[in-house]
Amino acid sequence: ETGVTQTPRHLVMGMTNKKSLKCEQHLGHNAMYWYKQSAKKPLELMFVYSLEERVENNSVPSRFSPECPNSSHLFLHLHTLQPEDSALYLCASSQDLNRVQGYTFGSGTRLTVV
Amino acid sequence: GIQVEQSPPDLILQEGANSTLRCNFSDSVNNLQWFHQNPWGQLINLFYIPSGTKQNGRLSATTVATERYSLLYISSSQTTDSGVYFCAPSYSSASKIIFGSGTRLSIRP
Repeated sequence: ETGVTQTPRHLVMGMTNKKSLKCEQHLGHNAMYWYKQSAKKPLELMFVYSLEERVENNSVPSRFSPECPNSSHLFLHLHTLQPEDSALYLCASSQDLNRVQGYTFGSGTRLTVV
Repeated sequence: GIQVEQSPPDLILQEGANSTLRCNFSDSVNNLQWFHQNPWGQLINLFYIPSGTKQNGRLSATTVATERYSLLYISSSQTTDSGVYFCAPSYSSASKIIFGSGTRLSIRP
């Protein structure tokens, strides 16, 4: 256990479904991140939150909607996804945006869009 | 833009062998992490190493910040070392860390 917990571990959804990914960290960190990892591609940063404020949004389609209700929880709401959105979605946290002590990652949610 | 290059892209070794993975980066870093991603997708932090040398069991890492590279050494490889190893420098000029494309290591019994 890394201290960052993601649920569910696996998710299969249709293109018309609405689902949410959840991330919870027990490390007392102030910054949280969503990354997407597609097959044979580098990890892509999607969103950055610091103290519950979104500080970065890397041109992510609006069908992905993040939510950070408090510094321990991060959600990624999904709706009307496309098959190319199938990927491993990873959550990470760090003490702050300076990341001097680095990132801690969750185990990821493997998403399949059918 | 900021570049991170890892080599080799793929490495196949017999159990017991030693290996060296390299990461070159294009700008001054304020931190650098090495991660191991296991076959189930979990990214495990191995080292925070902006400079100098650290050792943890069979693994060690060295970062030479002035020459903009880092090396990860794995000695006496075990099959559980298989997976993808990522280098991820962090830059004070950017609000994110940059991941390399990884080295895929396969250890054969």
